[in-house]
Amino acid sequence: EADIYQTPRYLVIGTGKKITLECSQTMGHDKMYWYQQDPGMELHLIHYSYGVNSTEKGDLSSESTVSRIRTEHFPLTLESARPSHTSQYLCASVGQASSGNTIYFGEGSWLTVV
Amino acid sequence: AQKITQTQPGMFVQEKEAVTLDCTYDTSDPSYGLFWYKQPSSGEMIFLIYQGSYDQQNATEGRYSLNFQKARKSANLVISASQLGDSAMYFCAMRSTSGGSYIPTFGRGTSLIVHP
Repeated sequence: EADIYQTPRYLVIGTGKKITLECSQTMGHDKMYWYQQDPGMELHLIHYSYGVNSTEKGDLSSESTVSRIRTEHFPLTLESARPSHTSQYLCASVGQASSGNTIYFGEGSWLTVV
Repeated sequence: AQKITQTQPGMFVQEKEAVTLDCTYDTSDPSYGLFWYKQPSSGEMIFLIYQGSYDQQNATEGRYSLNFQKARKSANLVISASQLGDSAMYFCAMRSTSGGSYIPTFGRGTSLIVHP
């Protein structure tokens, strides 16, 4: 059973608003990832982290930022939301190979910017 | 660099029939893992099956089996006795388990529709 949680699940906000998507995992995983995905389309990596105080940008250019102050917490922030940010955001984590290789996903956050 | 290729954008299958979803991969890592995920229209990613590169036998999980052909770098998903609830997007993925890039790589996905 995956123990990775995302909030909110669904959000509608106005253009220019600041929004933080929360992601938490209770498995002690060091590696965490954020993907952006439009419905029925491929996943695009936007940010990742290999541990506390480690954050990197992914393949897809994104106007979002992330932080990793605690192992279990990896929030994604949009300082000024735009309609082009409307998408689903998926958070994932991976543990050490010795503890299993599964990539765990949260339930996703559907963001609509109007 | 790792790469996953899923060449079937959409597949159709009759209920109770078997279906194979194709996945080929490319990597220079000596040790890696291959995954399949199901994504229904609600959006969550559901883990289906895992195959390690050194596993001698093909992985099976209930109605799902992974046809792993290492020399051909293919990791096809076989769903036996399809059900209407199997209609979803299916993603093949891989990641290194030997200290290479820890970033999971995903294919573009295959949309499966099961007809009654």
